[in-house]
Amino acid sequence: DSGVTQTPKHLITATGQRVTLRCSPRSGDLSVYWYQQSLDQGLQFLIQYYNGEERAKGNILERFSAQQFPDLHSELNLSSLELGDSALYFCASSAQTGSPLHFGNGTRLTVT
Amino acid sequence: EDKVVQSPLSLVVHEGDTVTLNCSYEVTNFRSLLWYKQEKKAPTFLFMLTSSGIEKKSGRLSSILDKKELSSILNITATQTGDSAIYLCAASGGGADGLTFGKGTHLIIQP
Repeated sequence: DSGVTQTPKHLITATGQRVTLRCSPRSGDLSVYWYQQSLDQGLQFLIQYYNGEERAKGNILERFSAQQFPDLHSELNLSSLELGDSALYFCASSAQTGSPLHFGNGTRLTVT
Repeated sequence: EDKVVQSPLSLVVHEGDTVTLNCSYEVTNFRSLLWYKQEKKAPTFLFMLTSSGIEKKSGRLSSILDKKELSSILNITATQTGDSAIYLCAASGGGADGLTFGKGTHLIIQP
């Protein structure tokens, strides 16, 4: 158990809808990262937050947004969902820059 | 654009064999190379390598980084069926804290 908690485990929704994925980092970790994993693209870095502030942005679509709250949990919001957004979304946390990332079990999103 | 390439993409061997997985990277301001094992769910951390030529070892798994060749290998000796998984290589650098991952090597160990 990595100590990173993600909810929900599975999500099935229709195109055009909006969903929110939730992540609680390991105790003491200030950095939260979001990744998208699909079969053909592998793990793609979306965005990183550090102590409530956006730190780095990767391949995140404009339809997606995230935030990190004062208690350090984070949410990833996906809107105007398309079939191609179906994927496994991972959250990871780390103690500090340069430390290994520890991943949650992911949220499997299916858009129908 | 930062890039990590792993080979082979897929590998099937018999229990007891030794395997070598390859990873090459092109990352600006490279800081470290990491290996993860992914079974059904979350990738789990195996090694982090920052210095060239120094082998890291954990049981039957070992890994080494070659900064001159911009590459790393992961060795697994005396493989067991429980080693079956996707092995992911990732590099950190590029001015951001996020890791750039390769597409992984899908390793299958047959009894």
